[in-house]
Amino acid sequence: GNSVTQMEGPVTLSEEAFLTINCTYTATGYPSLFWYVQYPGEGLQLLLKATKADDKGSNKGFEATYRKETTSFHLEKGSVQVSDSAVYFCALRRAGGYNKLIFGAGTRLAVHP
Amino acid sequence: SAVISQKPSRDICQRGTSLTIQCQVDSQVTMMFWYRQQPGQSLTLIATANQGSEATYESGFVIDKFPISRPNLTFSTLTVSNMSPEDSSIYLCSVETGSPYNEQFFGPGTRLTVL
Repeated sequence: GNSVTQMEGPVTLSEEAFLTINCTYTATGYPSLFWYVQYPGEGLQLLLKATKADDKGSNKGFEATYRKETTSFHLEKGSVQVSDSAVYFCALRRAGGYNKLIFGAGTRLAVHP
Repeated sequence: SAVISQKPSRDICQRGTSLTIQCQVDSQVTMMFWYRQQPGQSLTLIATANQGSEATYESGFVIDKFPISRPNLTFSTLTVSNMSPEDSSIYLCSVETGSPYNEQFFGPGTRLTVL
């Protein structure tokens, strides 16, 4: 079946540190891949997306590259800020016009000054 | 993009009662979705609600427990019926919009606690 696996949290970093949150997926064909972020007390916001292999999604200093060969979509940021503290969800949508999003378990990030 | 509001934002309910959650979108959308996020867990799709047709439920979710209405292209409701403490979750409405790479936008959620 289709699934998403994220690294377990929480991830605790100091401000300006480098961030990587691993995400791997299982799916047939070429799914679309997404990162969503959930700030404390708020709903989910789309952070970035990639719809085909080797695409790089980027937004607010975050990047993720769709790697078909390793079935991965790792989230990276070169220098995190305290305001990046949130829960990050990796998600996929199957190819072929399906609308359902399949989410990973989420990774909580805490950034300290 | 789409701006989505939900009512109520939170509620505390007694076992055996029902709660109806409203979802309002600022534009007309064909597809609306209801998700559940149990405490400390990820999101799970409950059902897809298209205007003018019956909602489509995911495995493990049934209409008697989670009836959904979709009276027009900007509004939907989800009812959580005969609640038990296991129904304590955040319930999120989302919509799909945009072309050709459709995106899903989420509402702020309704935090439900069942005593």
